[in-house]
Amino acid sequence: KNEVEQSPQNLTAQEGEFITINCSYSVGISALHWLQQHPGGGIVSLFMLSSGKKKHGRLIATINIQEKHSSLHITASHPRDSAVYICAVGNSGNTPLVFGKGTRLSVIA
Amino acid sequence: EAGVTQFPSHSVIEKGQTVTLRCDPISGHDNLYWYRRVMGKEIKFLLHFVKESKQDESGMPNNRFLAERTGGTYSTLKVQPAELEDSGVYFCASSRTSGSPIAKNIQYFGAGTRLSVL
Repeated sequence: KNEVEQSPQNLTAQEGEFITINCSYSVGISALHWLQQHPGGGIVSLFMLSSGKKKHGRLIATINIQEKHSSLHITASHPRDSAVYICAVGNSGNTPLVFGKGTRLSVIA
Repeated sequence: EAGVTQFPSHSVIEKGQTVTLRCDPISGHDNLYWYRRVMGKEIKFLLHFVKESKQDESGMPNNRFLAERTGGTYSTLKVQPAELEDSGVYFCASSRTSGSPIAKNIQYFGAGTRLSVL
């Protein structure tokens, strides 16, 4: 069992739908990252969370430290949101990240 | 401020050949990480430099992989000789050592090098 589990693995949504991607982890962490990878592209860091909730545009990330669970939400989804979304956790500052397998999101117009 | 840059973006080589990947971290970032994603699997850690020193190389798969960071600036990852299972996307990331706890925890990623071993 991977230390970081994401669900779903694949997700297809209609434009405008509200999307939720989940991440559960089994190790102690100091920070959780949500990353985005577009087809053929590099990785972009979306959020880094250690508690609570963060919002950036149509993206919202939440984390529950007690339950070792985080969610990434996309409101009013758009085809340009199509990408692989990756959850990664870090144990303490400047330590290597442990990654989930990613969730492949396709938003259809 | 320039981001993390990696070169080449894509490399296609034959089994048994040698390939060298390069990563230029963000200027002033002492921490440099190499990660790899093979087809269908999650991204996995390879090694971590702090300046020119290898802090952790527990993720290096075998002695065909050699990473260097001379002078504590850019880093190279050489695969010699390459095998079919080395195919994947190699990512580099960098982060600060100093600054606020938030700033120190953020790793900035490069676009990756897609390695195809035929």
